[in-house]
Amino acid sequence: QLQLQESGPGLVKPSETLSLTCTVSGGSISSSSYYWGWIRQPPGKGLEWIGSIYYSGSTYYNPSLKSRVTISVDTSKNQFSLKLSSVTAADTAVYYCARVILTGYLPLNWFDPWGQGTLVTVSS
Amino acid sequence: EIVMTQSPATLSVSPGERATLSCRASQSVSSNLAWYQQKPGQAPRLLIYGASTRATGIPARFSGSGSGTEFTLTISSLQSEDFAVYYCQQYNNWPHTFGQGTKLEIK
Repeated sequence: QLQLQESGPGLVKPSETLSLTCTVSGGSISSSSYYWGWIRQPPGKGLEWIGSIYYSGSTYYNPSLKSRVTISVDTSKNQFSLKLSSVTAADTAVYYCARVILTGYLPLNWFDPWGQGTLVTVSS
Repeated sequence: EIVMTQSPATLSVSPGERATLSCRASQSVSSNLAWYQQKPGQAPRLLIYGASTRATGIPARFSGSGSGTEFTLTISSLQSEDFAVYYCQQYNNWPHTFGQGTKLEIK
């Protein structure tokens, strides 16, 4: 059974870079059938897609965050990572990683399964 | 980007009754719509994709319908474990976008 687990600091200072890793177990991140994505949820609010990555390194980003986001993959560790620069309090959220099925050439699909999420607070 | 609007924001229903949740897209998303259930402190769980296809392991009391801009999630005969927040998500256009959620509470 595929499982995803987020990890990283729970507290980041304003203007610094948020860094999180998602470890995939029970399956290979190098599968040709899937992309891997990051989604976030501010406390008490809705969901926002951040971006998605293929094992080859191909990425898609949300235009609203694109200038500050970098998603990378490490196939040797079965992990993918998120970096969000110049964070502010508005970036405080639970960050989830999830799998996205690839159909055709685009990972425009639903997210399943999801990791349990990790809360990142931006505060000095 | 496509804006997804869910209604109502909160729905109060008694156990055993039917719940009908709505999701509207600001432009057509064809049938490229998913529904998720989220319980407090948990990650969202996929219920429906393709507007009407139940995900693996999802009970038959959950059904989805609609296409274009209007979608419905129906839960027949509500069970205690069904009270949660439900989100719709379109995947027809970049970026993926989600509705703001409908909280289904016990009446």
